[in-house]
Amino acid sequence: EAGVAQSPRYKIIEKRQSVAFWCNPISGHATLYWYQQILGQGPKLLIQFQNNGVVDDSQLPKDRFSAERLKGVDSTLKIQPAKLEDSAVYLCASSLEVLASNEQFFGPGTRLTVL
Amino acid sequence: AQSVAQPEDQVNVAEGNPLTVKCTYSVSGNPYLFWYVQYPNRGLQFLLKYITGDNLVKGSYGFEAEFNKSQTSFHLKKPSALVSDSALYFCAVRDSLFMDSNYQLIWGAGTKLIIKP
Repeated sequence: EAGVAQSPRYKIIEKRQSVAFWCNPISGHATLYWYQQILGQGPKLLIQFQNNGVVDDSQLPKDRFSAERLKGVDSTLKIQPAKLEDSAVYLCASSLEVLASNEQFFGPGTRLTVL
Repeated sequence: AQSVAQPEDQVNVAEGNPLTVKCTYSVSGNPYLFWYVQYPNRGLQFLLKYITGDNLVKGSYGFEAEFNKSQTSFHLKKPSALVSDSALYFCAVRDSLFMDSNYQLIWGAGTKLIIKP
């Protein structure tokens, strides 16, 4: 079974530039998550999709971050414009359904450095 | 409100010795508890979970965890540590009540496990 795919793996940009990350979840997984992980901390949920609908985006900085999941499969997370504090690893995860007991499967992450 | 605490930033264990990584939690209802491991420059990998039933849960790579409701703990254990177990370990909890504000998986800050040869 193929895992969660993410690209790019690494990205370096200057502040005020824009950047986009792509995620392809495990086939058949209805739920998709984007997390931000700052070095030395646990993951912070940015947005959660159930199919192509948003379940939770309460911690997404909507003035600069946006995400979409067209057709309920792949997803894109965008930052525009980037700030220095956005430097982090962006993790995509998926799970079968929106059930509290379901574990999440993670991609390798995208390490973003904002200069 | 839900919360998870991993009281140790780092745990050092000699190879072959038993290891324990601690986790305590707070939820309104019954907890769903998870352990994940993160190797350097890699994403998080699911290790094991407690949903209901037997308090001792077995997972990947020889790890197990014990759910203790009275102490609100879910400590991760392994009888004999390997150098390859060195990684960052995260505990996470979700409230089974599943109300809107409680839906998120709440993550601990992580514990760095170092196994010395």
